[in-house]
Amino acid sequence: GEEVAQTPKHLVRGEGQKAKLYCAPIKGHSYVFWYQQVLKNEFKFLISFQNENVFDETGMPKERFSAKCLPNSPCSLEIQATKLEDSAVYFCASSPKPGQVYGYTFGSGTRLTVV
Amino acid sequence: GNSVTQMEGPVTLSEEAFLTINCTYTATGYPSLFWYVQYPGEGLQLLLKATKADDKGSNKGFEATYRKETTSFHLEKGSVQVSDSAVYFCALRPDNTNAGKSTFGDGTTLTVKP
Repeated sequence: GEEVAQTPKHLVRGEGQKAKLYCAPIKGHSYVFWYQQVLKNEFKFLISFQNENVFDETGMPKERFSAKCLPNSPCSLEIQATKLEDSAVYFCASSPKPGQVYGYTFGSGTRLTVV
Repeated sequence: GNSVTQMEGPVTLSEEAFLTINCTYTATGYPSLFWYVQYPGEGLQLLLKATKADDKGSNKGFEATYRKETTSFHLEKGSVQVSDSAVYFCALRPDNTNAGKSTFGDGTTLTVKP
C-alpha cells in the first residue's frame, strides 16, 4: 500500500512489562527507520534496516530494545522490561533508498505509556 | 556530527499573516534538506525538499531555499491559514554512504488564529 501502517496506535504497559510495536512499510521501500519522539517534539533515531538487515543501530539502547524486519512480515520493535522513561511516541518511516534525495514516509505512530 | 537548529516556538499568527520559520544546519558535504509537518495525533508528512544549493522547494504555498553560504533552509509562506496550524520540522539527510538516517530539528509549533 501507499502508507506506512503502525500498530497498535496506543499501548499501555506496567513498568517491567514487555512492549512490542509493529510497522508495515510501503511496498517496494527497502529502508525502514524507527524514531522515538519524546519531550515535546524531540526526535531520537533508534535503528534502520535495509530489507531484513540492520543498516544503522547507533541509536538503540541495546540492553532492552531489539528490532527485526523479516521477509513477508511487519517490522517490529520490542522493549523488554519497560521503564517509565520509555513513554513516548514511536514512529516508523520507510524510504525507497538510503540516498539523500528521498524523504521519509512516516506512519502515524504508536503511543507507548509506561505506568 | 550533523545537527539542525530551528527557531523556538511557539509561533502565533493571525490568518493571512506572513510566516517565516528559521532553520540552520551543520553538516559536512552536501546534505539534502527537508521540511516536514505534523498535525495533531499524526505522523510527519513531507512538506517540501531541496537537494542542492540554491534549489527552492515549494508545496501548498510554502517554500524554502537551500542556502549553502548561510547553511540555512528557512520556511516561508505568504499568507497562512488556520489549517496550517501544526508542528513544523526541519531535517537534513547526509550525502555520505554510511548513514541514510535524517537528523531533525526540535520542531516549531505554529498556531494560526482566525
